[in-house]
Amino acid sequence: NAGVTQTPKFRILKIGQSMTLQCAQDMNHNYMYWYRQDPGMGLKLIYYSVGAGITDKGEVPNGYNVSRSTTEDFPLRLELAAPSQTSVYFCASSYQGGSYNEQFFGPGTRLTVL
Amino acid sequence: ELKVEQNPLFLSMQEGKNYTIYCNYSTTSDRLYWYRQDPGKSLESLFVLLSNGAVKQEGRLMASLDTKARLSTLHITAAVHDLSATYFCAVASAGNMLTFGGGTRLMVKP
Repeated sequence: NAGVTQTPKFRILKIGQSMTLQCAQDMNHNYMYWYRQDPGMGLKLIYYSVGAGITDKGEVPNGYNVSRSTTEDFPLRLELAAPSQTSVYFCASSYQGGSYNEQFFGPGTRLTVL
Repeated sequence: ELKVEQNPLFLSMQEGKNYTIYCNYSTTSDRLYWYRQDPGKSLESLFVLLSNGAVKQEGRLMASLDTKARLSTLHITAAVHDLSATYFCAVASAGNMLTFGGGTRLMVKP
């Protein structure tokens, strides 16, 4: 199993550009999440999904959109990129129903907006 | 709103010494996680703590949970350089949303 994969690994955007961060998991997890991590800080939840077709906002959703058309994929869309969105973005997934509900994290996408 | 605070934020230790990282949280939760993050890397799960009094140990790391005090500790025994990393606690709320602490950056010096 590849686990949670993310593309791209690095990206530089100009202010006002848009892009989609890709996330996929092959563990048949029902829950998926997007977090951002600013330098020297903990992770903050952007959006999450409890299954295909169902998404909800986290702590910091402004400036982002998500969709979940399949169990495996959970892309994050940035519209009109701003310098405040410079961060490292982590995707995670978990299986709800077990005791631990442990989240497994992807390798991250480092985004710089100039 | 759930708040999670870790202290210290930065810890410089000598090899062979013991120390404890503290994680306080503001509202009731049934799960607490500890993660390790190396520079430029993703998060690696260390421990999942489910109940009051839970204690888990792996090598030189031991984590405990006191749900009544809303406190978890990560104890480091006889630190070695390989333990140098940033350690995060995270507390689960509804929908398995995690709220992370600010992290403790640990440096172990020879």
